[in-house]
Amino acid sequence: GAGVSQSPSNKVTEKGKDVELRCDPISGHTALYWYRQSLGQGLEFLIYFQGNSAPDKSGLPSDRFSAERTGGSVSTLTIQRTQQEDSAVYLCASSRSGTGVNSPLHFGNGTRLTVT
Amino acid sequence: GEDVEQSLFLSVREGDSSVINCTYTDSSSTYLYWYKQEPGAGLQLLTYIFSNMDMKQDQRLTVLLNKKDKHLSLRIADTQTGDSAIYFCAEKKDTGGFKTIFGAGTRLFVKA
Repeated sequence: GAGVSQSPSNKVTEKGKDVELRCDPISGHTALYWYRQSLGQGLEFLIYFQGNSAPDKSGLPSDRFSAERTGGSVSTLTIQRTQQEDSAVYLCASSRSGTGVNSPLHFGNGTRLTVT
Repeated sequence: GEDVEQSLFLSVREGDSSVINCTYTDSSSTYLYWYKQEPGAGLQLLTYIFSNMDMKQDQRLTVLLNKKDKHLSLRIADTQTGDSAIYFCAEKKDTGGFKTIFGAGTRLFVKA
């Protein structure tokens, strides 16, 4: 079956431009996460959507970052006025309901963002 | 705090056992996971353990859980060069929105 799909797989942009990264989760998964992974580093949590609840935005590094999830499915992560330090791999993951069941995350292959 | 802690690096010789350790934060977390990330790829689920278990074995992988100390370990028997990767520990909280929290990852180097 289809896994988590992210697009584009690679994005090169100039400093100051806005970018949009897309994530298509596994059908029926109610939880969706965005993480950032800088070169050689661990996962930095960005934002978490769970069903119709208000998203947990506690990991967004600045107000240049925002994300939305339309219709409980596709999510878009937007970075405005990109800076060189935004260069990283942005990973999306989804899982089934978060409430008390075994719900491991399924990851996409990520979008590698390079800001020049 | 919310930090799941892991050591950053581990180096072993091919054929030896590897033990990767993790300290998690929430004694009420119900599921604990180990993920593997190979170069240039996303994370893949390796194994998991439910919090009412002490140990789980799956082929070359053994997971040990010490709930009292909130300590989780992953043992890889007969480590192979193909096991070289980053290994992430994660806990799924049963409070605060049921979020999954990851450690920083342990980079395993396997020397031939």
